Amino acid sequence: QKEVEQDPGPLSVPEGAIVSLNCTYSNSAFQYFMWYRQYSRKGPELLMYTYSSGNKEDGRFTAQVDKSSKYISLFIRDSQPSDSATYLCAMTKESNYQLIWGAGTKLIIKP
Amino acid sequence: GAVVSQHPSWVICKSGTSVKIECRSLDFQATTMFWYRQFPKQSLMLMATSNEGSKATYEQGVEKDKFLINHASLTLSTLTVTSAHPEDSSFYICSAREPTPREGRADTQYFGPGTRLTVL
Repeated sequence: QKEVEQDPGPLSVPEGAIVSLNCTYSNSAFQYFMWYRQYSRKGPELLMYTYSSGNKEDGRFTAQVDKSSKYISLFIRDSQPSDSATYLCAMTKESNYQLIWGAGTKLIIKP
Repeated sequence: GAVVSQHPSWVICKSGTSVKIECRSLDFQATTMFWYRQFPKQSLMLMATSNEGSKATYEQGVEKDKFLINHASLTLSTLTVTSAHPEDSSFYICSAREPTPREGRADTQYFGPGTRLTVL
């Protein structure tokens, strides 16, 4: 079993829909949780960074962490075709530790 | 966020030659840089962790003599693929971490745009 599980998709939704992307993990020691967005043939770009449990909002993006369930989510409101990309979750025990990655979910927003 | 650059963005070389890829942190000093490899439709695979002024730490299964890493300054790390073969063709991505992030920046890794290596 992988430490971090993420459905690779693809997930296809119409423009304007609310998108929900998720990761589950097995290591209860993880405290820092990140979402990166990666466009084709580009490096990952940090979208959201959260510590411990709770919600964090940034524009159309909301990150949720539920440590009791070992489950993290990224919500995208009013999705746009430009949001089409692969979304990778990553997490670590301490901020200077190696990141443990999900497989990435390919998201397609249809105009 | 912090800015990391990579050069070149795309390189084609003949089998048996060596290729050097540069990774630079442009607006911060990175005591630690990371090198990843990514195959199509797969997630990132960490190859090695590079600390400024010391030898890189390689992940299990990564050949140290084939993938030479040098982190000679706080803003530059290089990855040299020696005697490249077609199976080394891949997307190589570096990341860098700022040890004391300035205000507004998360304490995590920031990635370069990647280098696509094609070995003929």
